[in-house]
Amino acid sequence: GAVVSQHPSWVICKSGTSVKIECRSLDFQATTMFWYRQFPKQSLMLMATSNEGSKATYEQGVEKDKFLINHASLTLSTLTVTSAHPEDSSFYICSASGTLSQGYQPQHFGDGTRLSIL
Amino acid sequence: AQRVTQPEKLLSVFKGAPVELKCNYSYSGSPELFWYVQYSRQRLQLLLRHISRESIKGFTADLNKGETSFHLKKPFAQEEDSAMYYCALKLGGGSNYKLTFGKGTLLTVNP
Repeated sequence: GAVVSQHPSWVICKSGTSVKIECRSLDFQATTMFWYRQFPKQSLMLMATSNEGSKATYEQGVEKDKFLINHASLTLSTLTVTSAHPEDSSFYICSASGTLSQGYQPQHFGDGTRLSIL
Repeated sequence: AQRVTQPEKLLSVFKGAPVELKCNYSYSGSPELFWYVQYSRQRLQLLLRHISRESIKGFTADLNKGETSFHLKKPFAQEEDSAMYYCALKLGGGSNYKLTFGKGTLLTVNP
């Protein structure tokens, strides 16, 4: 159980386009989803936290208008990188925590999406 | 500010040798720490958390508040332990907690 699916796994697009990344919890209800960004040889950096039906909470320094997050259902959150530029190229990872067990709710991670902007 | 430091980017040991992956943290509150592991071509997954005081796949980690450390140890490394290991600090409670990750240590266990 506790599978998180992230799609696409790899995307290449031209500068100026918008890219949407989906994160789905396949076998549990994800009350909270997290979006991370990872640069090469660096750690995962939390970008934002989203609760189902609420606006996302962004970390300091993350542009809300650049990285649009939607968490419309208990199984789906999307990250849209708007008007992407080469500096947005990175590895984006989502995770989800939900109602699998009582007490501590671990985060379950997706496989990540490698975004390359030309 | 909260911070997690993993001083070793790479660690290489031989099969059967003991292994210790270092993690130090900086946090003014009561820390809750985790180790995550990422095997080749797989997603990040939770290995263990200090509160559970458990041993997973032979790994243990003890929280040392005096030294602000949470080192991951295994007495006899196996080749299948080769992976990227991340130490993480939990901030906040409920379902909205945040994880601050260290930069990770790539462990290679040689035959």
